[in-house]
Amino acid sequence: QVQLVESGGGVGQAGRSLRLSCAASGVTLNKYAIHWVRQAPGKWLEWVTVISHDGGTKYYADSVRGRFTISRDNSKNTVYLQLNSLRAGDTAVYFCAKGQADYTTFGFLDSWGQGTLVTVSS
Amino acid sequence: DIQMTQSPSSVSASVGDRVTITCQASQEIGSWLAWYQQKPGTAPQLLIYAASTLQAGVPSRFSGSGSGTDFTLTISSLQPEDFATYYCQQANSFPHSFGQGTKLEIK
Repeated sequence: QVQLVESGGGVGQAGRSLRLSCAASGVTLNKYAIHWVRQAPGKWLEWVTVISHDGGTKYYADSVRGRFTISRDNSKNTVYLQLNSLRAGDTAVYFCAKGQADYTTFGFLDSWGQGTLVTVSS
Repeated sequence: DIQMTQSPSSVSASVGDRVTITCQASQEIGSWLAWYQQKPGTAPQLLIYAASTLQAGVPSRFSGSGSGTDFTLTISSLQPEDFATYYCQQANSFPHSFGQGTKLEIK
């Protein structure tokens, strides 16, 4: 059974940084893209970023491009999201999710973590 | 970027009712559409992918249809556990945008 567990959330000051982790069990991540999706309190889902199975391809939402960086360590079965230059608008629950199909960044999200809350304070 | 527009934003219905939710893409996405269900305080769950394929383990009362720009999610006979928020998402191009959600409430 696939399980994704996010960690690293908390309170971060505006302008500072946080690093989120997404650790997988029950699946070897090195065949799958991993996405991050966030949800501000009481709001809808916002797709944030994706990294390909081998880390060679990454895409970002305009709202985070240049501030957030996604990376992965397949030897640790873990994906990371570095959040720099935090803004109030980054306050959200951040979910990592596994791509359904192997060896492609495109596609649907078939397993999700429980989410980690990031709160940006001024 | 592709914009996804869901309607209605909320709907009230009773157990046993048939409910349809629509999702419109701002440009052609073929069948690159998924539907997710989210209950309060939990992560979304994939219900339907490729516009009409039921994810394993999802009850057959859920169905999806459409292609191109117009899509629908239908729940044929509402059960108590179906009251939740539903999102569509396009996976045709990046960013993989979501609709704004449809909250399904008990009448």
